[in-house]
Amino acid sequence: DTAVSQTPKYLVTQMGNDKSIKCEQNLGHDTMYWYKQDSKKFLKIMFSYNNKELIINETVPNRFSPKSPDKAHLNLHINSLELGDSAVYFCASSQAGTGNSEQYFGPGTRLTVT
Amino acid sequence: AQSVTQLGSHVSVSEGALVLLRCNYSSSVPPYLFWYVQYPNQGLQLLLKYTSAATLVKGINGFEAEFKKSETSFHLTKPSAHMSDAAEYFCAVSVAQAGTALIFGKGTTLSVSS
Repeated sequence: DTAVSQTPKYLVTQMGNDKSIKCEQNLGHDTMYWYKQDSKKFLKIMFSYNNKELIINETVPNRFSPKSPDKAHLNLHINSLELGDSAVYFCASSQAGTGNSEQYFGPGTRLTVT
Repeated sequence: AQSVTQLGSHVSVSEGALVLLRCNYSSSVPPYLFWYVQYPNQGLQLLLKYTSAATLVKGINGFEAEFKKSETSFHLTKPSAHMSDAAEYFCAVSVAQAGTALIFGKGTTLSVSS
């Protein structure tokens, strides 16, 4: 069974479009995250949710909006896509996000904006 | 604020040789430290973590790391490299706080030659 799953795995779209990436975890964790990995493989936190409550909202454009319908899901919606949004987006989850908990990562969604 | 510096963006070793990947951290509070591995086109997998219990931490696949507070370091080692160890390695830091995210270093690409 996949612990953290993301759909789609690949997403190719044009500038200006709106797209969503879905994430689901079946580990029973209460904290979920979105990370962005750029072309130089640098990973940076975008958002984190704890029990469906937004905890971290890093400096990302407000075109990015996370939504957590329940503890097992954290989706990422992106409006008006730009070339610079091209990256790999990773969802992750952890138990009781107290900092020392292992974060489990999904396989990533490679977004290409043309 | 926390930060991580990985010295050496690319490390090359021969099969059977010692692997040493360097990581230095900066944190104003006691840190939790992690090493993750990323194989091509995959998500991140935890190798090991330091959470203030033992300073020498053993992880999966024969890797270990030693926390040295005086040197603010958490270097990753493996006595004998295998071809299958070729991957991207990330050092990360976090602190004790609900929903806290991982702060990653820029990664080190490990190449193993036969």
